[in-house]
Amino acid sequence: GAVVSQHPSWVICKSGTSVKIECRSLDFQATTMFWYRQFPKQSLMLMATSNEGSKATYEQGVEKDKFLINHASLTLSTLTVTSAHPEDSSFYICSARGRGAGNTEAFFGQGTRLTVV
Amino acid sequence: GESVGLHLPTLSVQEGDNSIINCAYSNSASDYFIWYKQESGKGPQFIIDIRSNMDKRQGQRVTVLLNKTVKHLSLQIAATQPGDSAVYFCAERPTSGTYKYIFGTGTRLKVLA
Repeated sequence: GAVVSQHPSWVICKSGTSVKIECRSLDFQATTMFWYRQFPKQSLMLMATSNEGSKATYEQGVEKDKFLINHASLTLSTLTVTSAHPEDSSFYICSARGRGAGNTEAFFGQGTRLTVV
Repeated sequence: GESVGLHLPTLSVQEGDNSIINCAYSNSASDYFIWYKQESGKGPQFIIDIRSNMDKRQGQRVTVLLNKTVKHLSLQIAATQPGDSAVYFCAERPTSGTYKYIFGTGTRLKVLA
């Protein structure tokens, strides 16, 4: 299967600072990338969908000014958690979908554990 | 809103036995379903998928069954092994054109030696 890589795997930051998480598709062009958030022992919650070259579409209840998403190229999307607070501590996961109407499978990154202290 | 849910939050199975993990979905317009396996601290790993025009699909040791009449999805794992211990999620893709997936609540599978 295709490979999606997230960086960093984990990060600890101080309250009030911003953190950027990268999501890269290593061997395919990702026309669409998705960002999820997962709390301990819970399911994945979709935060936003981003298409290359256009603005991200955020799910209801997700603050777009808080979680900045950029999908500037077909292989890279970034999620920036701005002015992070302890309640933003979570596991953030991206997934990417390749070109073509037949490409229904989305491949997931390994996730990024964010801890805000 | 639309949701995908699971009947059992935790399933304990003896090693070597078969496992059946169930999922109920509510979006009748969904045309594609996936089962994912997630190990602790890792991202979801694709297991098997099925389109809505099928009712059964088999992979290596896994089978997915789809019953559209009752909006039910199941994952069967044959000869369950310790390495199968993980959380399993079903996900559906609503035919909205965005290709986003709605995940169920998850079932933890524990394989007993």
